[in-house]
Amino acid sequence: QKEVEQNSGPLSVPEGAIASLNCTYSDRVSQSFFWYRQYSGKSPELIMSIYSNGDKEDGRFTAQLNKASQYVSLLIRDSQPSDSATYLCAGYQAGTALIFGKGTTLSVSS
Amino acid sequence: EPEVTQTPSHQVTQMGQEVILRCVPISNHLYFYWYRQILGQKVEFLVSFYNNEISEKSEIFDDQFSVERPDGSNFTLKIRSTKLEDSAMYFCAIVFEDRSYNEQFFGPGTRLTVL
Repeated sequence: QKEVEQNSGPLSVPEGAIASLNCTYSDRVSQSFFWYRQYSGKSPELIMSIYSNGDKEDGRFTAQLNKASQYVSLLIRDSQPSDSATYLCAGYQAGTALIFGKGTTLSVSS
Repeated sequence: EPEVTQTPSHQVTQMGQEVILRCVPISNHLYFYWYRQILGQKVEFLVSFYNNEISEKSEIFDDQFSVERPDGSNFTLKIRSTKLEDSAMYFCAIVFEDRSYNEQFFGPGTRLTVL
């Protein structure tokens, strides 16, 4: 299993809908996880971090972590065209390096 | 959000030439990191730097690469003899002392093009 895996997409949702982005991880990745948003040609922008089992909400974003299933998700409520980007899931390997998934491309149509 | 700047924004170089990429954090920092992203591929870890020494490095970070803090604030990545496959976006990332959970904040990146 790859260390951090994501469906590459594209995931297409209409404006106002909920977008659900998923990520699975291997045993080599630690229990701290991060969601980054990356617009084309730009750098990753941290939008959510999660460390404990359960949900964490911040505005329109909710991150969910299930350690037993090794699964992390990001829900975006009331999706806007400006949310169209690639969403990167990342976790720490043993040490100081962040390990990234390949990212899921989200397209929100107006 | 903590700010990190990187220079240059775009560097074009000939194969075999040396390049130096720079990162300048605005606020207090704990760790520095360098990552790269080849076009269309995932973000890859290169090296982490703490207390003026390398903390961890990946297999990508071979003898062609080096990092240093030449003046106590700037953080540089040097590629001694660039290869075509070094063409990528290079991102500096920072963990700040006053932030929790080792959240890494990325600079805007330097696009390196090796001809």
